[in-house]
Amino acid sequence: RKEVEQDPGPFNVPEGATVAFNCTYSNSASQSFFWYRQDCRKEPKLLMSVYSSGNEDGRFTAQLNRASQYISLLIRDSKLSDSATYLCVVNQAGTALIFGKGTTLSVSS
Amino acid sequence: GAGVSQSPRYKVAKRGQDVALRCDPISGHVSLFWYQQALGQGPEFLTYFQNEAQLDKSGLPSDRFFAERPEGSVSTLKIQRTQQEDSAVYLCASSLTWGDLLNTEAFFGQGTRLTVV
Repeated sequence: RKEVEQDPGPFNVPEGATVAFNCTYSNSASQSFFWYRQDCRKEPKLLMSVYSSGNEDGRFTAQLNRASQYISLLIRDSKLSDSATYLCVVNQAGTALIFGKGTTLSVSS
Repeated sequence: GAGVSQSPRYKVAKRGQDVALRCDPISGHVSLFWYQQALGQGPEFLTYFQNEAQLDKSGLPSDRFFAERPEGSVSTLKIQRTQQEDSAVYLCASSLTWGDLLNTEAFFGQGTRLTVV
């Protein structure tokens, strides 16, 4: 079993839609959680960190449930520019980032 | 430039050839990571340095893979006797700090796309 599991996608949604991605992790010692975005043939870039209390950045909301070892990302009012692969990432302090396989989002007009 | 720089961007190697991939991290970044990303997959951890010390190499897939960072700055990932299954994008990332209390953001280079024919 992979350490970080994500919905495989792809998710195909119209502009303006709300879309949610889910992720589970297996290592209960994981301490830090992130969502990275990766555009086609580009490097991953940090989208947002995920905190236990949940956090929001504009149209993006991230949630963490430590008891269920579950992370989510909600995107409201989808834009064409949101089309990308979204990577769920976890790590313990001092260790390397562990990536999920990624979920592909395609937003169409 | 201000970002992580990797070279070459593209490399075609004949099976059995040795290759060397270079990573120039952001100046002053203590930690450096190498990842391998196959098509349609997420990045897979290979190895991690803090300054010149290689703290974790558990992700290196075989003894054909070797990484070094002798002066705590530039790093080289070497693959000996390349095989077709080594074809992937090799990503390097650096971070200002990486430790028990705080992991700051990891910045990735654009990667080296290795194709073994």
